[in-house]
Amino acid sequence: GAVVSQHPSRVICKSGTSVKIECRSLDFQATTMFWYRQFPKQSLMLMATSNEGSKATYEQGVEKDKFLINHASLTLSTLTVTSAHPEDSSFYICSARPGLDFSEQYFGPGTRLTVT
Amino acid sequence: GQNIDQPTEMTATEGAIVQINCTYQTSGFNGLFWYQQHAGEAPTFLSYNVLDGLEEKGRFSSFLSRSKGYSYLLLKELQMKDSASYLCAFLDSNYQLIWGAGTKLIIKP
Repeated sequence: GAVVSQHPSRVICKSGTSVKIECRSLDFQATTMFWYRQFPKQSLMLMATSNEGSKATYEQGVEKDKFLINHASLTLSTLTVTSAHPEDSSFYICSARPGLDFSEQYFGPGTRLTVT
Repeated sequence: GQNIDQPTEMTATEGAIVQINCTYQTSGFNGLFWYQQHAGEAPTFLSYNVLDGLEEKGRFSSFLSRSKGYSYLLLKELQMKDSASYLCAFLDSNYQLIWGAGTKLIIKP
């Protein structure tokens, strides 16, 4: 089956520093990748949608200068949380869609970010 | 506008059957998903319904009524490992997933 990996799985950083999270599709090419954030006991919140080679589309209320998304290849997307603050602490999940079938979306295992 | 609702929490007994309901409102609809999410993990795909009716996959079944904006996930022969959150989500007219808040299912022995 289609596998999506995320790295790191957990990260603790100090306030003011930047953190990069990688999302890779291991056995398929992802034309579209999605980044979600999930706070405890809440549902997934879509942050942005990225297509390979083009700028990400951010959801309303998500600061694009703070959450930098790069989808440099068909198998890799990165999310960089810049100048992290404790309120950025959350569970970040990426997902990838192989093609034009909108019913297909595969999730990565998630990254737990804690900002101290 | 768009919205999607599901119960916050349900409790059921091991070996029993439980039905988790999901209602939604949207002007554009391209199918409804059910995902299972264990604490601290990413969601895993359970089902996708785009046409009305019941789809069965082993112990899990999912039902959709587009005219009523209603879906349910039916879990049979409950096992302790089924304790998890169950998320419903629909694809809107822009093919964007709109997520429910999730239903936490607690299985008791």
